Amino acid sequence: DAMVIQNPRYQVTQFGKPVTLSCSQTLNHNVMYWYQQKSSQAPKLLFHYYDKDFNNEADTPDNFQSRRPNTSFCFLDIRSPGLGDAAMYLCATSITRQGFSYEQYFGPGTRLTVT
Amino acid sequence: AQSVSQHNHHVILSEAASLELGCNYSYGGTVNLFWYVQYPGQHLQLLLKYFSGDPLVKGIKGFEAEFIKSKFSFNLRKPSVQWSDTAEYFCAVNSKGGGADGLTFGKGTHLIIQP
Repeated sequence: DAMVIQNPRYQVTQFGKPVTLSCSQTLNHNVMYWYQQKSSQAPKLLFHYYDKDFNNEADTPDNFQSRRPNTSFCFLDIRSPGLGDAAMYLCATSITRQGFSYEQYFGPGTRLTVT
Repeated sequence: AQSVSQHNHHVILSEAASLELGCNYSYGGTVNLFWYVQYPGQHLQLLLKYFSGDPLVKGIKGFEAEFIKSKFSFNLRKPSVQWSDTAEYFCAVNSKGGGADGLTFGKGTHLIIQP
């Protein structure tokens, strides 16, 4: 089945120690998104890649970076995790054609704990 | 900026009861509308979507939603719920023609169905 895969499902990192979360997709979608979801809150968009173009949300901290080496993979890098960055990180994909974006497909998420 | 409001954060119903979850959005332009569901321990899944056309849309598992443009609403309904409908439900929007815009989510409604 075509899907969105996130690894690892659970990640524990130390305060200030860089961490990378990964997302891959077999859907061949041209857009990949990263969302942060804290406990009992709505998912919040961090940034997205539209093909190779990176689009950052205005309020996403500089501590968060992303890379998309090819269509299938996208990474979320947290350069110096703080306790407030503990959350579920969701990857999603969609097709966007001629300015119209179709529904998004979500991965299972990576739960990040910062100690 | 877009915003989404879900009126009920926790709903408890008995099996066979009818369900209606409220969703209102705020946005100056035209939008695409979605309901996502997250079953315990699973990833976000699309329940239904509205892009254009008939404002009454049917989704999976017997769910439907009605877009009322004048009220900026997209309420989710199911005539008879089952125990397996216990989950978190999120209403979401993005701007139509906004390219690869991410979703703006409501805070979610935690639905518990009692046998």
